[in-house]
Amino acid sequence: EILLTQSPGALSLSPGERATLSCRASQRVTSGSLAWYQQRRGQAPRLLISSIYIRAAGIPDKFSGSGSGTDFTLTISRLEPEDFALYYCQYYGGSPYTFGQGTKLE
Amino acid sequence: EVKLVEFGGGLEQPGGSLRLSCAASGFTLDTYAMSWFRQAPGRGLEWVSSMSGTGATKEYADSVKGRFTISRDISKTTMFLQMESLRAEDAAVYYCARNGYNHIAFDMWGQGTKVTVSS
Repeated sequence: EILLTQSPGALSLSPGERATLSCRASQRVTSGSLAWYQQRRGQAPRLLISSIYIRAAGIPDKFSGSGSGTDFTLTISRLEPEDFALYYCQYYGGSPYTFGQGTKLE
Repeated sequence: EVKLVEFGGGLEQPGGSLRLSCAASGFTLDTYAMSWFRQAPGRGLEWVSSMSGTGATKEYADSVKGRFTISRDISKTTMFLQMESLRAEDAAVYYCARNGYNHIAFDMWGQGTKVTVSS
C-alpha cells in the first residue's frame, strides 16, 4: 500500500497569490498514477489533475501538477476566492487507492 | 447529461444493513470501472470498493471486506453497495465515482449519500 503525506496541513494565502501544495509517497509511483482533487465545503471531490500533470476537462491552466518518483506538487497560480478549499492527492495505480490527508487552502 | 446520483443512505443501528445505490445517466456502467469512496465527518477520503466494467473483478478495502458487496443491475445503469454488519466507524458520506480511461483518475463523482450508524 502506498501511503501519501501532504504538506502543509493548512496554507494561508490571499487572492492573487500562488499556492504550492506538496504530496510525498511512501514508495516510488512508477506508474505515474498520481491525481489531485479539490473539495469545496459540502461538495464532492472534483478531479483537477491525473497522471501527475494532466489537467482534467474544464480545469483552467492556473492549476498545474509536477513531480516524479515520490515527490509531487500541485501549484495554483493567481488564487481566486473559489480556490480556497481542501485539496487531496491520490494514488490510483492499483488498489487500495489511497489519499493524502489533505491540505486546506485558507 | 452525464452524471451520478447516490441514494439510500440513512440511520441504521450497529449490526444492521443498508443498501446504497448509484444511478448513472449519460453512460452505462459496463463501459467504465466504478468505485465507492467514503468520507467520515471531518475526515479525509477513503476508498471502499471497485468493480470493473465487465463486472468480473470486484475489490474491497480491508476495512469492509466480508461485510460490503458491490454489484450492479442488469440494465447496467445502477450500481449498489450492500453494507452488512454496520459499525460506528462506517458512518460517513458515501460517494460513487467513475474510473476514467487511459490513465485518467476518478473523473466523475456523485453528490454523496450520508450513512449514520448509531443506536
